Amino acid sequence: AQSVTQLGSHVSVSEGALVLLRCNYSSSVPPYLFWYVQYPNQGLQLLLKYTSAATLVKGINGFEAEFKKSETSFHLTKPSAHMSDAAEYFCAVSDNTDKLIFGTGTRLQVFP
Amino acid sequence: KAGVTQTPRYLIKTRGQQVTLSCSPISGHRSVSWYQQTPGQGLQFLFEYFSETQRNKGNFPGRFSGRQFSNSRSEMNVSTLELGDSALYLCASRRVDGGNEQFFGPGTRLTVL
Repeated sequence: AQSVTQLGSHVSVSEGALVLLRCNYSSSVPPYLFWYVQYPNQGLQLLLKYTSAATLVKGINGFEAEFKKSETSFHLTKPSAHMSDAAEYFCAVSDNTDKLIFGTGTRLQVFP
Repeated sequence: KAGVTQTPRYLIKTRGQQVTLSCSPISGHRSVSWYQQTPGQGLQFLFEYFSETQRNKGNFPGRFSGRQFSNSRSEMNVSTLELGDSALYLCASRRVDGGNEQFFGPGTRLTVL
């Protein structure tokens, strides 16, 4: 069975600071991993995806994530936070079916 | 290219009623999945349709059902509504023939009174 754990339901950073959102996964098959962002009263927007082509994945809005098989991790980072990054972030895993298993989400707050 | 659209955006129903939600996928996308989002349970997979057939189903009671039409549009139905069915229902579409990422619509906010 697949599962995702997101450590930290809330993360607060200052504008311009490093953003680090943690995601650990469990999968019995090579996983497909995704990060989505959700702004208030909106659906989910895909930030980036890992599909085994490269371990360091670059996404939209300056975000990137590194797949580390030995640590079963897929942490999301951004070098410099912007006020517009404040949102909820979800890590998800799939075994290439259409069933996405989501983590519980991390709410990112950015302070000026 | 237009994104995934869902109608209606907001819905208020009473216990015992039934409701139908609609989803139009991105043009060319043939797979449609549905998810329920609640504060308590988070994001949970309901089911997935491809070529008018349900290919995958989550752990929800039979009151939750869906269908897909030949133009890939999908509907989901919830019968005998319960208070706990209040949630944001999200639809996602996928191309199937390349790229496994799902693109989500804005959701339908269902409130059951």
